[in-house]
Amino acid sequence: RKEVEQDPGPFNVPEGATVAFNCTYSNSASQSFFWYRQDCRKEPKLLMSVYSSGNEDGRFTAQLNRASQYISLLIRDSKLSDSATYLCVVTSSGGYNKLIFGAGTRLAVHP
Amino acid sequence: EPEVTQTPSHQVTQMGQEVILRCVPISNHLYFYWYRQILGQKVEFLVSFYNNEISEKSEIFDDQFSVERPDGSNFTLKIRSTKLEDSAMYFCASSPSQGWETQYFGPGTRLLVL
Repeated sequence: RKEVEQDPGPFNVPEGATVAFNCTYSNSASQSFFWYRQDCRKEPKLLMSVYSSGNEDGRFTAQLNRASQYISLLIRDSKLSDSATYLCVVTSSGGYNKLIFGAGTRLAVHP
Repeated sequence: EPEVTQTPSHQVTQMGQEVILRCVPISNHLYFYWYRQILGQKVEFLVSFYNNEISEKSEIFDDQFSVERPDGSNFTLKIRSTKLEDSAMYFCASSPSQGWETQYFGPGTRLLVL
């Protein structure tokens, strides 16, 4: 089983749509969870951290279910600029914060 | 806003040659990392570095790889004898004093081994 699994997509959605991405992770000892965004041939950029209580940042909402080892990201009112690959990222169980990346889910928002 | 910088942005080298990739982490950060991403694949952890020593390394980080913090600002990744399969984007990252905090990535060095 892969350490972090994501649906590769692509998700093709019109502007204004709501889109949801899911992710599962295999290591129950993982401590921290993130969504990063990566544009083509660019570095990953932190979108948001994910907490058990759920958290929201503008149009973005992230949820974590530790029991199911499941992470989600909801994007409301999609913009053209949201087109990117969304990376689900967890930390290892060790103390030095090694990031374990999923392969990413590609989102294409069209007019 | 402080950012991680990396040089060069692109490097082309012949198989068997040594390359050094350079990074300047964010100034008050204490944890440093190298990751790589082969074209079309996921980002993979290579090595973490804290207090002037390697704290963790992956299976990819074999004897051909080394890291160094030669002064107070630079953090380097050396590949002694490059292979074709070393062609990838190499990202440096840094994080603040606490090990669980967010890592900030540099723009990457695209390495092509011919």
